[in-house]
Amino acid sequence: GEDVEQSLFLSVREGDSSVINCTYTDSSSTYLYWYKQEPGAGLQLLTYIFSNMDMKQDQRLTVLLNKKDKHLSLRIADTQTGDSAIYFCAEKQGNTGKLIFGQGTTLQVKP
Amino acid sequence: NAGVTQTPKFQVLKTGQSMTLQCAQDMNHNSMYWYRQDPGMGLRLIYYSASEGTTDKGEVPNGYNVSRLNKREFSLRLESAAPSQTSVYFCASGLAGDNEQFFGPGTRLTVL
Repeated sequence: GEDVEQSLFLSVREGDSSVINCTYTDSSSTYLYWYKQEPGAGLQLLTYIFSNMDMKQDQRLTVLLNKKDKHLSLRIADTQTGDSAIYFCAEKQGNTGKLIFGQGTTLQVKP
Repeated sequence: NAGVTQTPKFQVLKTGQSMTLQCAQDMNHNSMYWYRQDPGMGLRLIYYSASEGTTDKGEVPNGYNVSRLNKREFSLRLESAAPSQTSVYFCASGLAGDNEQFFGPGTRLTVL
């Protein structure tokens, strides 16, 4: 079945770049997403990429997609303490909008 | 706009008790979803409703029932709660085919 995998934890220093990685198995996925969850809150969409793109940049965020390897990454430039959160990768299935989520990567930003 | 609202925010149940989690959205979205979030497992889809009057099972539907009461409201019912249902439950909504699901703040449920 479909599966999305992420590493569970990443720690960086404030001002450094963070790179969060994700692998997925469904080659027919049309969209891939990055969601952010702050403590005690719901998920908030950060950015998404269409499967025929290989890169998308949005201010401090850069998404890279390698379709051949089914690998997705999220780079956060100049990471701030406010970026500390759990980041979820997700892939979209068909027209139902059903999302398959990874386990989430906890990003810890040290001052 | 309140977005997606969920009630209650917290709940403690004893094994075997029943309860209904409520979800409402004011964004005129067609699709609504219920997920559960467990440590190290991400979010797993319990049930979804692609449009008013329809519901379908997701990845982990056992032990749950849902009702799409109208376009705004989508409730999740636990008929006989079990400790394995201790989790954080999120409701989400979106336009069919759209790229974003909007999430509620979650309900933290503990079953003793």
